[in-house]
Amino acid sequence: EAQVTQNPRYLITVTGKKLTVTCSQNMNHEYMSWYRQDPGLGLRQIYYSMNVEVTDKGDVPEGYKVSRKEKRNFPLILESPSPNQTSLYFCASSYRRSPLHFGNGTRLTVT
Amino acid sequence: DAKTTQPTSMDCAEGRAANLPCNHSTISGNEYVYWYRQIHSQGPQYIIHGLKNNETNEMASLIITEDRKSSTLILPHATLRDTAVYYCIVASGYALNFGKGTSLLVTP
Repeated sequence: EAQVTQNPRYLITVTGKKLTVTCSQNMNHEYMSWYRQDPGLGLRQIYYSMNVEVTDKGDVPEGYKVSRKEKRNFPLILESPSPNQTSLYFCASSYRRSPLHFGNGTRLTVT
Repeated sequence: DAKTTQPTSMDCAEGRAANLPCNHSTISGNEYVYWYRQIHSQGPQYIIHGLKNNETNEMASLIITEDRKSSTLILPHATLRDTAVYYCIVASGYALNFGKGTSLLVTP
């Protein structure tokens, strides 16, 4: 089954403790992206990647890092999480300009 | 990418057609109109997209005006499971600006 898989689904952590949210897709998509969703602000793009080793900032990249060493994986790294990064995170992928496929989300709480 | 304007919320009776409008008066020639929806806090789900012709698939129909400045998503027979936030997006590339969408409530 074609899918985008994010892990974990839920994560509670403390300020400053490095964490990684994984994202994997099995559709050989070249484009992958991370979004965060906050009440009243909608979905905002954090980072995106057009292909392996090609990444670029979205609208809200501060405090996040990404890497794209393999086509299927696009992890989101928070080196020093802060409470304002408490949010619902979505990973998405697509092929050429076909519609985006989204993962089921990761709900992160930073205390 | 062009901006879109959607009503904040709409209601629809179950079994009736839901017509969700979207204004995109600054759309440019190479920009597509995309519709996605998000049920509760699940990942957004693609519904349909089009450039200038009307489109139909198993989920919905998309009507784009001749001047392309507005469009309407039609769910022909809305069910309770269609209750969701519907996003109208205009874009030419990969990046999609989701905005705040229309919250559609389908009532029994």
